[in-house]
Amino acid sequence: QSVLSQPPSASGTPGQMFTISCSGSSSNIGSNYVYWYQQLPGTAPKLLIYRNNQRPSGVPDRFSGSKSGTSASLAISGLRSEDEADYYCATSDDSLSGEEVFGGGTKVTVL
Amino acid sequence: QVQLQESGPGLVKPSETLSLTCTVSGGSISSYYWSWIRQPPGKGLEWIAYIFYSGNTKYSPSLKSRVTISVDTSKNQFSLNLSSVTAADTAIYYCASGGSYHDYWGQGTLVTVSS
Repeated sequence: QSVLSQPPSASGTPGQMFTISCSGSSSNIGSNYVYWYQQLPGTAPKLLIYRNNQRPSGVPDRFSGSKSGTSASLAISGLRSEDEADYYCATSDDSLSGEEVFGGGTKVTVL
Repeated sequence: QVQLQESGPGLVKPSETLSLTCTVSGGSISSYYWSWIRQPPGKGLEWIAYIFYSGNTKYSPSLKSRVTISVDTSKNQFSLNLSSVTAADTAIYYCASGGSYHDYWGQGTLVTVSS
């Protein structure tokens, strides 16, 4: 059972504005940066968002991150078929000696 | 462009030690953190450990008693040893750059624990 809670699955249609939530606590999201990873089928995860809302070079600006209190969100504006993947949030947890923790992942299906 | 490549046995017997090496190319292993992360088949990601090039380490509390991570700067490699493995340790093992977040990943290697 993951320390960070994500919906296990979600679906949307092309062009839709889409949001994935990640819920934690004061010891993890509430006091640390949040990161988001995209994992396409059969591949390694890819960093999508770092330090809550920063995009690495090469990540389309359709992807954006935000954090409020003990929750974070990943938004995809203009959902595309190639966005069909698993998405994971991650942060550190101060109650676990600063251990890195991941959400359980959200499988996004583009209808 | 930094690239990482995992290597090691794909099959390990129960109670034995899983040993993997990650070779870093396109950049120096020095001046950065390096991590191991695993993913059981069909499941989510689990952070295992990280090491700084100088040798400072941090381990997942749940695995700490069985894990050792080391670095060889002369070979631009870092390694993972996980002892007393069971079927629950069957997973894709990824090496990745960074301690708190990971901008470069290896392709991953599947390690199966079975007799």
